[in-house]
Amino acid sequence: AQSVTQLGSHVSVSEGALVLLRCNYSSSVPPYLFWYVQYPNQGLQLLLKYTSAATLVKGINGFEAEFKKSETSFHLTKPSAHMSDAAEYFCAVRRRGYQKVTFGTGTKLQVIP
Amino acid sequence: SAVISQKPSRDICQRGTSLTIQCQVDSQVTMMFWYRQQPGQSLTLIATANQGSEATYESGFVIDKFPISRPNLTFSTLTVSNMSPEDSSIYLCSVLYPGQGTYEQYFGPGTRLTVT
Repeated sequence: AQSVTQLGSHVSVSEGALVLLRCNYSSSVPPYLFWYVQYPNQGLQLLLKYTSAATLVKGINGFEAEFKKSETSFHLTKPSAHMSDAAEYFCAVRRRGYQKVTFGTGTKLQVIP
Repeated sequence: SAVISQKPSRDICQRGTSLTIQCQVDSQVTMMFWYRQQPGQSLTLIATANQGSEATYESGFVIDKFPISRPNLTFSTLTVSNMSPEDSSIYLCSVLYPGQGTYEQYFGPGTRLTVT
């Protein structure tokens, strides 16, 4: 079975500071990995995905994530937080050859002016 | 990418009643899903809506409570039946759509349901 663990249900950073949201996965083989963002009162939007083409994946809004097989991690980073980044972020995993996606519990990012 | 719309965007319903949520996609898709997001929680898959056949439900969800229709490749409905306050959630429609390297999952804006 596949699963993802997001460490920290709430993360606060100052505007301009580094954003680091942690995600660890559990899968017998390297899966597809995704990060989604959910702004208040909206659906989920795909930020970026890992498909094995490159371990460092760049997404929208300046976010990127690095796949580390040895650590079974796929942490999301952004060098400088903006107020508009305040949202909830979900890590998700999908086993290759399957359609079902498993979502993490989410991390709410607060950006302090 | 796929653009998904849902109706209604929100509703307040009385316990014991039913609500049907509509999901419309701007292109034909094979895989369509319904999720529930309870307050402050992550997404839970309710079922996979199959075109032309019965939906495939996840453990803990049954057809009598959450009947689903999928009459064609661009449309689906989810009904929340005999509602109770525990059904207060956001209900999200989602599709798998071809992307670079793999299929990508797109979500509708959600239907915010409050049961009183």
